[in-house]
Parts: sequence; structure tokens; C-alpha cells
Amino acid sequence: GDSVTQMEGPVTLSEEAFLTINCTYTATGYPSLFWYVQYPGEGLQLLLKATKADDKGSNKGFEATYRKETTSFHLEKGSVQVSDSAVYFCALRRGNNNDMRFGAGTRLTVKP
Amino acid sequence: EAGVVQSPRYKIIEKKQPVAFWCNPISGHNTLYWYRQNLGQGPELLIRYENEEAVDDSQLPKDRFSAERLKGVDSTLKIQPAELGDSAVYLCASSLSLAEQYFGPGTRLTVT
Repeated sequence: GDSVTQMEGPVTLSEEAFLTINCTYTATGYPSLFWYVQYPGEGLQLLLKATKADDKGSNKGFEATYRKETTSFHLEKGSVQVSDSAVYFCALRRGNNNDMRFGAGTRLTVKP
Repeated sequence: EAGVVQSPRYKIIEKKQPVAFWCNPISGHNTLYWYRQNLGQGPELLIRYENEEAVDDSQLPKDRFSAERLKGVDSTLKIQPAELGDSAVYLCASSLSLAEQYFGPGTRLTVT
């Protein structure tokens, strides 16, 4: 069935470092792809999304490009901040019923 | 605007006891979701409501889990009796039809 595999954590970076969190997916058809972020004690928040191949989603300095040929949707940020410390989830939406499949999450810690 | 509200935030019970979780979605959102998030994993859908109708409950363990959304607004998820393996975070989300899902902070259940 459809699934998402993302880079295992935890990831620890220094402030202003470059971030990449890898995400690959397996799906029939053409799913929409998402990155969610979960700050401590809070629910998941949508960070960015892409609905078709070659689309780039971006928000708050984060970006990810929907790569159909490599079935990937890697999350990147050029310069992370301490406030970016959180758990990041890659997800896909199957079909048109809003059925979401999430990866296991990657915990990011940014140190000053 | 208030987000998705869940209560309680934390619950500790002994195995074989019943437990209930409550969710109030964002005002006007007709679609409501219950997810279970095991430690170190992404959320997994348990049940989805459109208004008061459960349109996808294929992943709900019906021998011990039940849910209701009687007036198409707030919802209750119940487990009876609870087992050790039910320890997890139970997330509620809501959306306007099939648009973006907004998540609540979750209820962390510990079964001892």
C-alpha cells in the first residue's frame, strides 16, 4: 500500500546550519505531498505542500520539491534557527478522500 | 479563532479500565478525524466523520473502540477495556470538507 519513509532522527544542528530531511514515498497514482511540523506540546501544523510533480512548496524559509522520478519530497532550509527545533513529518494524501499517510517523524534539535 | 480542542491532555489508567477522549473541532468544520500516534511513529487514522456520519472506520478496532459524533460537531472516542498496547497519543483533527486538516494537541494515554 501507499507509504512514506523519512530520514531517521534525531538530527542535531548548530544555528545557521543547512538542513535536509529526506522523504521518499510509495504510492499508486499521483498523491499530494506534505510536510507537517509538531512543536513540543502542540498538534501537527501544516508547513508546506505540493500537489503535482515538480511543484515546490515553501514556507518560513523551508522548501521541498515534488520529484516524481525519484519519488521524493526532501525538506530543506538554508539556515536553521533554535526555534525550528521540532518534529517534522512527511505525509501523502491518497485519492480524493483526504486520507493521509504519515512518515515516522524526524526530530530536529538546533543548538545556539 | 480557536483551534481544535481536546481533553483531557493526559490520562493514566489501569488496564481493563474504560477511557474516553473528547474533541471539539474548529467551528464550521464538517469533517473530523481521530488518529492514534504511537511513540516514535506518525499518526494513523482511526476514523473519519463527515458531519455525523462515520465514512471511514476501517482502521478502528471495533471490539474495544467506539466513537460518536452525534450532532455533527464535537466527538468522543472511547476505549473499553483498555489494554497496555493502547498507550499512545490520540489526535483529533478537523477540516472543511477535504481541505487542510487542523490538528489538536492530542491526549496522551498511558495504560499501566
